[in-house]
Amino acid sequence: SAVISQKPSRDICQRGTSLTIQCQVDSQVTMMFWYRQQPGQSLTLIATANQGSEATYESGFVIDKFPISRPNLTFSTLTVSNMSPEDSSIYLCSVKQGNTDTQYFGPGTRLTVL
Amino acid sequence: SQQGEEDPQALSIQEGENATMNCSYKTSINNLQWYRQNSGRGLVHLILIRSNEREKHSGRLRVTLDTSKKSSSLLITASRAADTASYFCATDARGPRVSGNTPLVFGKGTRLSVIA
Repeated sequence: SAVISQKPSRDICQRGTSLTIQCQVDSQVTMMFWYRQQPGQSLTLIATANQGSEATYESGFVIDKFPISRPNLTFSTLTVSNMSPEDSSIYLCSVKQGNTDTQYFGPGTRLTVL
Repeated sequence: SQQGEEDPQALSIQEGENATMNCSYKTSINNLQWYRQNSGRGLVHLILIRSNEREKHSGRLRVTLDTSKKSSSLLITASRAADTASYFCATDARGPRVSGNTPLVFGKGTRLSVIA
């Protein structure tokens, strides 16, 4: 199974600032996915990140607010820009293991915006 | 948007009892996956069942899939206090995206409490 790490594990930020979340995978993967989990809610897909091309964003999410980088096949970053308290959530990166379709998740980044 | 709906939203049982959680979804799928999440931490993958499978087992877990009813169930037998967590189903939907690149769509989850 894929081993995924995220940094930071948690952060408390002031409104109006930005936070970049890093996701590192122990193997090369084609696609990485970023999800948001608001307090007490389920997971919502933010975007799909493909190495070497622009990320594909889901309805309700835009690149200016959640810019994503995917510089290589094992790493991605998600930035939460110009944060407001409504951005307080757990942000999770995820990858698929190609030969099984199993989707694995990182431990998440718990963000609190004051 | 949420693909699935779990039922019940919350379930409280005594240790040793069985817990059954149900999941319904709306579109055709390639597979359905169940996850566990403890106290807002990362998701732990439990089991994947493909659209051409009807039942799978893994330890104390039993998953069924009924594609005609677009529903799945997760049974945890002989529950333990450590099974206390939120359980989510997620579907890998068929569609125009290339298989393997389709992200999962999650249901709302069932919060299971196992009382010792």
